[in-house]
Amino acid sequence: DAGVIQSPRHEVTEMGQEVTLRCKPISGHDYLFWYRQTMMRGLELLIYFNNNVPIDDSGMPEDRFSAKMPNASFSTLKIQPSEPRDSAVYFCASSNGGSLSNEQFFGPGTRLTVL
Amino acid sequence: TQLLEQSPQFLSIQEGENLTVYCNSSSVFSSLQWYRQEPGEGPVLLVTVVTGGEVKKLKRLTFQFGDARKDSSLHITAAQTGDTGLYLCAGDAGNQFYFGTGTSLTVIP
Repeated sequence: DAGVIQSPRHEVTEMGQEVTLRCKPISGHDYLFWYRQTMMRGLELLIYFNNNVPIDDSGMPEDRFSAKMPNASFSTLKIQPSEPRDSAVYFCASSNGGSLSNEQFFGPGTRLTVL
Repeated sequence: TQLLEQSPQFLSIQEGENLTVYCNSSSVFSSLQWYRQEPGEGPVLLVTVVTGGEVKKLKRLTFQFGDARKDSSLHITAAQTGDTGLYLCAGDAGNQFYFGTGTSLTVIP
């Protein structure tokens, strides 16, 4: 298996622009997680899905952030409009087995820079 | 507010030394995990502990889950340069999942 796939790997955009990050989880996994990592705040869980349904979105910073999972093999995280403080590495992870205690497999991340 | 506090935040030691990293919380977790992250990559799972008081060994790494399931520790014996990385604990608290603040370990040859 190719593992969790994220695109793009790097994104540089200007403040106010819309940014869309993409994730393809490992086939057969029923959980999908979106994280944001910065030096100041560490690794933060933004939202997670179980069987394509959002379960906990309490980590989504504000209404500018939205996430969707239209099917079991694809998810997007959108920021609109983007701001410089959104600059971070965004990770997608997936797991299976029906429990949050199961191993999460992380993608390589998307490094976002908002100028 | 960070639910899982790790200490120390940074640790730099000589190859061959022993070290312990701590993960503490005031909340109870049904399980705790330890991940290691190398620069430019996502975290990779090292171990999961689920029973209070549980001790797991993975070669030179020893993991312990506190009796009350609120804390955990990671002990590395005879550290090697390959152990360098960011160590993250993570906990399952029902329908919520949290990562710790992280410990950045540097092992100097």
